[in-house]
Amino acid sequence: DQQVKQNSPSLSVQEGRISILNCDYTNSMFDYFLWYKKYPAEGPTFLISISSIKDKNEDGRFTVFLNKSAKHLSLHIVPSQPGDSAVYFCAAVYNFNKFYFGSGTKLNVKP
Amino acid sequence: NAGVTQTPKFQVLKTGQSMTLQCAQDMNHNSMYWYRQDPGMGLRLIYYSASEGTTDKGEVPNGYNVSRLNKREFSLRLESAAPSQTSVYFCASGIHHFGNGTRLTVT
Repeated sequence: DQQVKQNSPSLSVQEGRISILNCDYTNSMFDYFLWYKKYPAEGPTFLISISSIKDKNEDGRFTVFLNKSAKHLSLHIVPSQPGDSAVYFCAAVYNFNKFYFGSGTKLNVKP
Repeated sequence: NAGVTQTPKFQVLKTGQSMTLQCAQDMNHNSMYWYRQDPGMGLRLIYYSASEGTTDKGEVPNGYNVSRLNKREFSLRLESAAPSQTSVYFCASGIHHFGNGTRLTVT
């Protein structure tokens, strides 16, 4: 049973607009969340993370929002750029080392 | 990716053969991880090592063994490969740094 879900397999956005990627989880023990970006034939690259004691974390064009009551997190990319086109994975962690990943959302940013 | 080296990049095995996937990091991290990624799925944690000398099971450990040889190296062993173990295997060092993967096919 998947504990972390990304229900949108793909997302297409125009360059300059906002990209919003969503992630839902079921386990209330998760206390840390991360987003990774992945290009084909490469390993995931860390983007941004958030602790469960916060509801927002920002790093440049990337912002992650956490809604613990809804067990939902989202990644906002503003403005979106063609180089952002990749597969994005969310991950949730408990006990420091128990990682669970979503199935990914393929983002296509059109010029 | 800089700092995490996985070998080999590709491997084809016959059912029942054994092999070891190697991973080395030069970032002095305590924790290291092995994941597998199957088509249409996210990464699933096989085993992790929180520090040198310790290893623990992740979500999908069956059919695998690991060794944390020293702080730098964390290896994953398939004793008797099965077609269900056809996958891309990723090693991670710390929570931020991944290798570029080993693509394994078991026929």
